[in-house]
Amino acid sequence: DTGVSQDPRHKITKRGQNVTFRCDPISEHNRLYWYRQTLGQGPEFLTYFQNEAQLEKSRLLSDRFSAERPKGSFSTLEIQRTEQGDSAMYLCASTLSPLDTQYFGPGTRLTVL
Amino acid sequence: DQQVKQNSPSLSVQEGRISILNCDYTNSMFDYFLWYKKYPAEGPTFLISISSIKDKNEDGRFTVFLNKSAKHLSLHIVPSQPGDSAVYFCAAKLGGNTPLVFGKGTRLSVIA
Repeated sequence: DTGVSQDPRHKITKRGQNVTFRCDPISEHNRLYWYRQTLGQGPEFLTYFQNEAQLEKSRLLSDRFSAERPKGSFSTLEIQRTEQGDSAMYLCASTLSPLDTQYFGPGTRLTVL
Repeated sequence: DQQVKQNSPSLSVQEGRISILNCDYTNSMFDYFLWYKKYPAEGPTFLISISSIKDKNEDGRFTVFLNKSAKHLSLHIVPSQPGDSAVYFCAAKLGGNTPLVFGKGTRLSVIA
């Protein structure tokens, strides 16, 4: 297994456009997390899934953000009507159980012009 | 409200010497702590962790110390190598199905 993968690695978009990112977790990992990292900050939690169920959402996740994990495998994160403040690195992590270490993907860097 | 604090944005150490990265936390309910290393344009890579029931955990050149009374943990790297140059994040969790809470990171530069 090659670890957590994310696509695309980079995305440049114009303000107001919609973007969608994909995360493929380590196979058999049933927990999947989304984080956002801005310059000079550590990663900040956005939301997480156990299998296909979205169990927790951060207050950072405005109504322009939606995340899905329809079959309990890969996940998508969509941002509608992007704003310049959405520019960040979006990180995905997965883990097999709550007590296990979270393993991160390489991230998707979003730039909103 | 920063629950996990890394007060040193950067640290420079000579190759072969010890690197000590510090982390403070405010939430006494945190029961598991982790250190991640991050290179530019990559995701964080897990380094080492420690449960709140321990005060030390060692893995090769990396040792993490936990002082619960002081709500402080530190990562020791010895000997430091140029390849250790990266940003190091301290993270904590409340246990169970809770997300990680990260500090802002410390940039370590190991000078040859």
